[in-house]
Amino acid sequence: DTAVSQTPKYLVTQMGNDKSIKCEQNLGHDTMYWYKQDSKKFLKIMFSYNNKELIINETVPNRFSPKSPDKAHLNLHINSLELGDSAVYFCASSQKDRVNNEQFFGPGTRLTVL
Amino acid sequence: DQQVKQNSPSLSVQEGRISILNCDYTNSMFDYFLWYKKYPAEGPTFLISISSIKDKNEDGRFTVFLNKSAKHLSLHIVPSQPGDSAVYFCAASYRDDKIIFGKGTRLHILP
Repeated sequence: DTAVSQTPKYLVTQMGNDKSIKCEQNLGHDTMYWYKQDSKKFLKIMFSYNNKELIINETVPNRFSPKSPDKAHLNLHINSLELGDSAVYFCASSQKDRVNNEQFFGPGTRLTVL
Repeated sequence: DQQVKQNSPSLSVQEGRISILNCDYTNSMFDYFLWYKKYPAEGPTFLISISSIKDKNEDGRFTVFLNKSAKHLSLHIVPSQPGDSAVYFCAASYRDDKIIFGKGTRLHILP
């Protein structure tokens, strides 16, 4: 009965590879997000989708491409992985009309690029 | 350019005493502030929030205070319990836009 789930939890890969991280939420929320937590522990938003439509796209390299097949899923595909992509990636979801802006986070995916 | 700053990377507090975590922000347009708690190997979980029209919000042992003129907010936990040991993130948002997080403060509750 996990609210926001991500797979895989750990991902170790070589530079130059292409990889995907999957996210699913069963909360019925209409908005989903991807965050990156880098080595300096900053938690920064990368993308936000509302009802499958991209609404936030921070200055993220275009090697990163989110894909939302439906409201409950927001997958992150990364092409040509680089060393600097090593980080923990968190998926989150929220209901846009909620008063307190609360976002529910997944457990994170630790990506290590060698 | 950090819009949300948590200047204390860590804080140690005796069990049963009050824990006070501080947060400063630079953008006066922020209208909602949130605190998240994070355990190792887990995602952040929402703890408490406050709208910019209020100066205090309380939920059990947790109270958040907002001082808009100083662009400062704080989270008070009283009494502190061992399970409160975690990283606490301060966050702010404007008009339902993206949430900006601080770097977090690691709270250690000492026995």
